[in-house]
Formats: sequence, C-alpha cells, structure tokens
Amino acid sequence: NAGVMQNPRHLVRRRGQEARLRCSPMKGHSHVYWYRQLPEEGLKFMVYLQKENIIDESGMPKERFSAEFPKEGPSILRIQQVVRGDSAAYFCASSPQTPGYEQYFGPGTRLTVT
Amino acid sequence: GENVEQHPSTLSVQEGDSAVIKCTYSDSASNYFPWYKQELGKGPQLIIDIRSNVGEKKDQRIAVTLNKTAKHFSLHITETQPEDSAVYFCAASMGDDKIIFGKGTRLHILP
Repeated sequence: NAGVMQNPRHLVRRRGQEARLRCSPMKGHSHVYWYRQLPEEGLKFMVYLQKENIIDESGMPKERFSAEFPKEGPSILRIQQVVRGDSAAYFCASSPQTPGYEQYFGPGTRLTVT
Repeated sequence: GENVEQHPSTLSVQEGDSAVIKCTYSDSASNYFPWYKQELGKGPQLIIDIRSNVGEKKDQRIAVTLNKTAKHFSLHITETQPEDSAVYFCAASMGDDKIIFGKGTRLHILP
C-alpha cells in the first residue's frame, strides 16, 4: 500500500524560472493538502484540494502560486517566477474522508532557488 | 485564527528516561490534535492523535493528554530509545481542512 508520493524530491531553480511540484495521494484518498516548511519552522498550510476543485486556498500567496488536482493524474503545485524566498520544503498530505481526519504526509520536495 | 504554541524547542533526555512536550492552542473550537514525528530529510509521520471528546490516549510508550478547559495538550514518551530522536510537532484542527502546527521540539536521546 504505497504512501503519498511526491516528485521531484529535490528541485533547483534559478530566480525567475518556474517550479512544478507533483503529489500523488494514497490510494483511495481524494483530499490533498499542500504545506510549506521553512528551515527550523513548523509546517504552514497553503491549499486544500479535492478532485478538480480548490476548497481552501487561504494560505497561498496571492501571486505566482497556483495549485490543481485534475480528474486524472497527480496534484500540481506551481510556482512561477521563483524568488530566493520560495526556497523551502513543500509537503503534500492526503486524507481519505471529510476534513478533520488524519492527514498522511509525503516525503516532500526541497526547492532551492539560486 | 488558530495559533499553536509548543515548548520546549529543544529537549535532551537520557536514554530510558521520559520526555514531555507541551502545547497550547488558542481557539476553543479546535477538536482534533495530532502529533507528528519528523526525521531528518523526511516528511512528518503521524504518531498519535486525540479528539476533544477524550482526555487521554495511550499507544505503547506514547501517550497524549488534553485539557480542554486550559487549552493544553501534551505528548509523553516513556522509556526513551535512540530512535526516538527527531523533531516532534503538535498540531490542532477545528475539523475543517487545515491543520495548524506548532514550531516543533527537537528531541535528543542521550546515550
């Protein structure tokens, strides 16, 4: 029973480039959450999606960041025109049922902007 | 919005001793309190959770307590072992989508 999968595990981008982070939830899970973790900090909620719907994006920066969870395929977190401050670990979590229940995390994507 | 405070930020205990991590939350509407363990270079792993209708929950060497009146909850690890060394995060949720995390406690188990 595979867990939450994320790729790539490490991503290096130059300032101004685009970063695409992918997340495949656990089998049978239809809720996906993205969190960002800065060094020595806790995780900060970014966005919550169900298939083809953004449910809550209250933690997403207003510009350059977007997320989707299409009917087929993984969830994508997209960061346009990256800046140094975007360097962080980005974690995806999935949940099998209505919000408030257990969220299971993937291994994360560590984004470095040079 | 909800705010979760966690203490201490670093904790060192002798192998075999107990470790206690304490958290407070601000919103009395929070009703779900998970604890996560994060090892270096890995994602957070859910180790135990408690809901607001329960005061205490135990799973082998790990126990959590919840005081709704004081808005405190704690993680207790007994008979600590080297593999318990990691960063531990408490968190709170109001049963909606987001989980609010504390800033973490780095636990060192000393030989």
